[in-house]
Amino acid sequence: SAVISQKPSRDICQRGTSLTIQCQVDSQVTMMFWYRQQPGQSLTLIATANQGSEATYESGFVIDKFPISRPNLTFSTLTVSNMSPEDSSIYLCSARDRGGENSPLHFGNGTRLTVT
Amino acid sequence: AQTVTQSQPEMSVQEAETVTLSCTYDTSENNYYLFWYKQPPSRQMILVIRQEAYKQQNATENRFSVNFQKAAKSFSLKISDSQLGDTAMYFCALAGGTSYGKLTFGQGTILTVHP
Repeated sequence: SAVISQKPSRDICQRGTSLTIQCQVDSQVTMMFWYRQQPGQSLTLIATANQGSEATYESGFVIDKFPISRPNLTFSTLTVSNMSPEDSSIYLCSARDRGGENSPLHFGNGTRLTVT
Repeated sequence: AQTVTQSQPEMSVQEAETVTLSCTYDTSENNYYLFWYKQPPSRQMILVIRQEAYKQQNATENRFSVNFQKAAKSFSLKISDSQLGDTAMYFCALAGGTSYGKLTFGQGTILTVHP
């Protein structure tokens, strides 16, 4: 199964700044996703990172706030822009194996972001 | 739209005993997959077990098994012989339609295993 490395594992940032989170998969995967987990909450899908094209965002999330790159089949970045304290969350990268539609979704260890 | 509901915010169990976590869901898709993920304090999301909706047989994975009731849209997780390492947040999740990687998660159940 795919092994997903995410960095940084945590960061404390000042409001108004931006942070880029990196996600590296140890094998080529077809689909990569970014999730947000707000404190004490469940996971919410931010967007699907598409290789070679613009990311597909879920309702409530926009590219200007969460720009995403996916230059190849093993790597993606998520930027949290112009941060505010409400952006304090865990951000998780996930990827689905190339084993077909019933292959499971694997997750990175997440990035714990605190905005002061 | 898909929804997943976990009605038990917290559960506790004694070591070596059995516990069942509840999950109900709603989807208009005919083909879908259900999952249970475990998130320990390390925050790593770990896949515990998965179930294809078109399979009638309940999935099992060592000490973990599910009771999948398709008509009732229910998908409970049974943990047998509970271990201290099972202490974690457990999320039920649903993936359906054409994007099986897009998961809808329930609110989570915090499970504490007591020695």
